[in-house]
Amino acid sequence: DIQMTQSPSSLSASVGDRVTITCRASHGIANYLAWYQQKPGKVPTLLIYAASTLQSGVPSRFSGSGSGTDFTLTISSLQPEDVAIYYCQRYSSAPIIFGQGTRLDIK
Amino acid sequence: EVQLVQSGAEVKKPGESLRISCKGSGYTFTNYWINWVRQMPGKGLEWMGRIDPSDSYTNYNPTFQGHVTMSVDKSISTAYLQWSSLEASDTAMYYCTRHVVTDPFDFWGHGTTVTVSS
Repeated sequence: DIQMTQSPSSLSASVGDRVTITCRASHGIANYLAWYQQKPGKVPTLLIYAASTLQSGVPSRFSGSGSGTDFTLTISSLQPEDVAIYYCQRYSSAPIIFGQGTRLDIK
Repeated sequence: EVQLVQSGAEVKKPGESLRISCKGSGYTFTNYWINWVRQMPGKGLEWMGRIDPSDSYTNYNPTFQGHVTMSVDKSISTAYLQWSSLEASDTAMYYCTRHVVTDPFDFWGHGTTVTVSS
C-alpha cells in the first residue's frame, strides 16, 4: 500500500514567516493530493486539492505544489489563525491515505 | 446548503453494539460516496472506508474490515456506521465526509464522539 509521510511532524514559526510542509508518497500518485487543515477542536477542512488548486474561500497565502511523489504546502505569511494540524491525503482510489499530520504553532 | 448531520455522542460499555448515523442534505445524496474517518484522542485522521449510496457498494480499510459495517438508507439520505461488539480502543471521534470518486473530501460532518468504557 502507498504510504504518505509528512515532515516535519511539528513546527513553530513567527507571524509573517513563510512556512513549508512537505508530504512524500511512497509511490507516484500523479496529482491526487489534498491538504486539510484542522484547527484545535474543529472539523478538518479542505484547503487544496489536485496538489495545487485552492479550495473556494481559502486565503491566497496558502499554496500547494508537486506531482508524483513529492508535494509541498506553503503558507506565504503565517497568521495567528493558521495554528492547526495540517494533513496531506492521497484520494485517487481506495485505500485513501492520510499523512500523519504536521502541527503548526506560533512562536 | 450542503450539510452532513451526524448523530449525537455515545457512551457505551465494551461488548455493546452501536450504530451512528450521518444524514446528508442540500445535494443529491446518491451522487457522492460517504466516507468514515476515525480520529482517536490526540491522534491523526484514519480513513475507515466508504460506501456508495446509489448501490451500497463498499470499500473498507483492511484495518477496520470485519470490525465495522457501513450501510446506507438512500430513501432518507442517511449513512450508518455500525459495531456489533465495541472495544475500549473504539473510543474516538468519527467523522462522515462525502466525495466523488477521484475527488477529495469537500464536506465533513461535525463528528460523533464515541466513548467505550466499563
